[in-house]
Amino acid sequence: GAVVSQHPSWVICKSGTSVKIECRSLDFQATTMFWYRQFPKQSLMLMATSNEGSKATYEQGVEKDKFLINHASLTLSTLTVTSAHPEDSSFYICSATGLAGGPGTGELFFGEGSRLTVL
Amino acid sequence: QQPVQSPQAVILREGEDAVINCSSSKALYSVHWYRQKHGEAPVFLMILLKGGEQKGHDKISASFNEKKQQSSLYLTASQLSYSGTYFCGTEGGTSGSRLTFGEGTQLTVNP
Repeated sequence: GAVVSQHPSWVICKSGTSVKIECRSLDFQATTMFWYRQFPKQSLMLMATSNEGSKATYEQGVEKDKFLINHASLTLSTLTVTSAHPEDSSFYICSATGLAGGPGTGELFFGEGSRLTVL
Repeated sequence: QQPVQSPQAVILREGEDAVINCSSSKALYSVHWYRQKHGEAPVFLMILLKGGEQKGHDKISASFNEKKQQSSLYLTASQLSYSGTYFCGTEGGTSGSRLTFGEGTQLTVNP
């Protein structure tokens, strides 16, 4: 199956600093990428939908100025957690799909996830 | 709106069967099923589209009843490798692959 890679897989940072997480589709062009956060033993909560070359669409309650998403190419999307605080500590996962548009168009390929710990 | 999964957790012995249910209060276009092992990314199992289809591969199959807005995942003759958390993701049909995931069902298969 298709491969999506996330980097870094884990990061520890001090409160107030910013952290960038990369999500790359290695063997296909990802027209749409999704960013989720997952707390221990909980579900994946969609944060935003990212389409190449356009602004990300954020879910209700997600601060767009705090979680900056850039999807500059068909193979790379980045999530930057700005001025991180301990409550931002979580498992962040990206997923990608190579098919544009319509519902039910295809499976999601998930990255390995990035575990962020803010001290 | 988040779909509701049941049961929340199930423990099986190897070779036993299990059913995991996923229901939504909203009309659905498709249902996706994923399995996630601890500390890893979710892995795709299957997609079911409206039309009441059923799918399966190996000993894992699923059904989707769009009228009832429900889907069920069937695991037959479970193997140790089936252990993990199973998530259903529902799609309302407004945009491709924007899924809302259920809370998950933790499945443990013991020898």
